[in-house]
Amino acid sequence: QAVVTQEPSLTVSPGGTVTLTCGSSTGAVTSGHYPYWFQQKPGQAPRTLIYEASNKYSWTPARFSGSLLGGKAALTLSGAQPEDEAEYYCLVFYGFGVFGGGTKLTVL
Amino acid sequence: EVQVVESGGGLVQPGGSLRLSCAASGFTFSSRWMHWVRQAPGKGLVWVSSINSDGRTTNYADSVKGRFTISRDNAKNTLYLQMNSLRAEDTAVYSCVALKDVGYWGQGTLVTVSS
Repeated sequence: QAVVTQEPSLTVSPGGTVTLTCGSSTGAVTSGHYPYWFQQKPGQAPRTLIYEASNKYSWTPARFSGSLLGGKAALTLSGAQPEDEAEYYCLVFYGFGVFGGGTKLTVL
Repeated sequence: EVQVVESGGGLVQPGGSLRLSCAASGFTFSSRWMHWVRQAPGKGLVWVSSINSDGRTTNYADSVKGRFTISRDNAKNTLYLQMNSLRAEDTAVYSCVALKDVGYWGQGTLVTVSS
């Protein structure tokens, strides 16, 4: 099966901007892969932030945005807050779904 | 209010079976694809299976294909996962997920496969 790759860890300063990416071993990630982004804090269930590359939910903070960038799905956080420190996962569909390994985001 | 509540987890011996259920409310369950996702303790998320709105199209991760069966009862707003020939590596919290514009996860149910 396909492998979905994410940065294992990233650090951002409070108020700073960071972009997490999600790549595919099969080639470019496109809208046809319906990429999702999830946030998970320790001891909590995951929370869906972005669906189908760039769509937000009512609970998605405005500082998060999703896009397709350079053949990858991307999650950009603009104006990082301490509460954004979490694990972030992307999910890509090839008929079946494949999660990336997750990015541990530190706000420091 | 959207709710998805999983049940049916527990301790089972290797080679055993379990049937998970997921009761959904607060959205039009019968028109949605539904998914099962699992997370082993201290590990990442793993997509397990999905089913389309009328139950006729299903997809599985290679690791569970031939052992797990996803199904749904739209009259009861309930999703199921029948798990057979369970292995130690199937130990995880199993969550029911409604994606697209619903985007809702349940809290999950723990499945432990151990002798």
